[in-house]
Amino acid sequence: KQEVTQIPAALSVPEGENLVLNCSFTDSAIYNLQWFRQDPGKGLTSLLLIQSSQREQTSGRLNASLDKSSGRSTLYIAASQPGDSATYLCAVPSPYNQGGKLIFGQGTELSVKP
Amino acid sequence: ETGVTQTPRHLVMGMTNKKSLKCEQHLGHNAMYWYKQSAKKPLELMFVYSLEERVENNSVPSRFSPECPNSSHLFLHLHTLQPEDSALYLCASSQEPESEAFFGQGTRLTVV
Repeated sequence: KQEVTQIPAALSVPEGENLVLNCSFTDSAIYNLQWFRQDPGKGLTSLLLIQSSQREQTSGRLNASLDKSSGRSTLYIAASQPGDSATYLCAVPSPYNQGGKLIFGQGTELSVKP
Repeated sequence: ETGVTQTPRHLVMGMTNKKSLKCEQHLGHNAMYWYKQSAKKPLELMFVYSLEERVENNSVPSRFSPECPNSSHLFLHLHTLQPEDSALYLCASSQEPESEAFFGQGTRLTVV
């Protein structure tokens, strides 16, 4: 059974800091891994999708890496801003041919203080 | 805007009511999903439709009934719900299973 874990559960940093969010998964047979952002009470915004053949993806101040063999991904946020405050979720497709079912971690709640 | 629109954004219903949640995607995708997000729990898949056929039903109680009349629209029909069904219901779509998923803003459901 695929399980996804995110640490830390919550993180508070001063504005301007670089930070790393962690995601681990138990079954390395994944097609891809997706990072999302969720603001309170809102839906999910896709940030980055890394294919299983890729090592990393970049979008602006965000960089996501993937190490399939060790079952880990990291999301690096450079020069954090108060607007980055949100919950960050990682997800992988189920390895059991379940029609694209995504399995999510619990999320990391990030607070960036001005 | 993600290209996936959900209505209503908020819904309060009694346990004997019948209501429906609507989702529409403008991305030309072939797969659509319903997820449930309860407080302090990870998102859980409820249903998957691919090319308008249900391909996954994640052991969801029959008081939730999905409908996918075409590849752009997805409904979740609700009847005789319980207070523990109160949650954020999220719709998503993707070009095909296992490709990048895009989510709507969700419907916040409260059952009283």
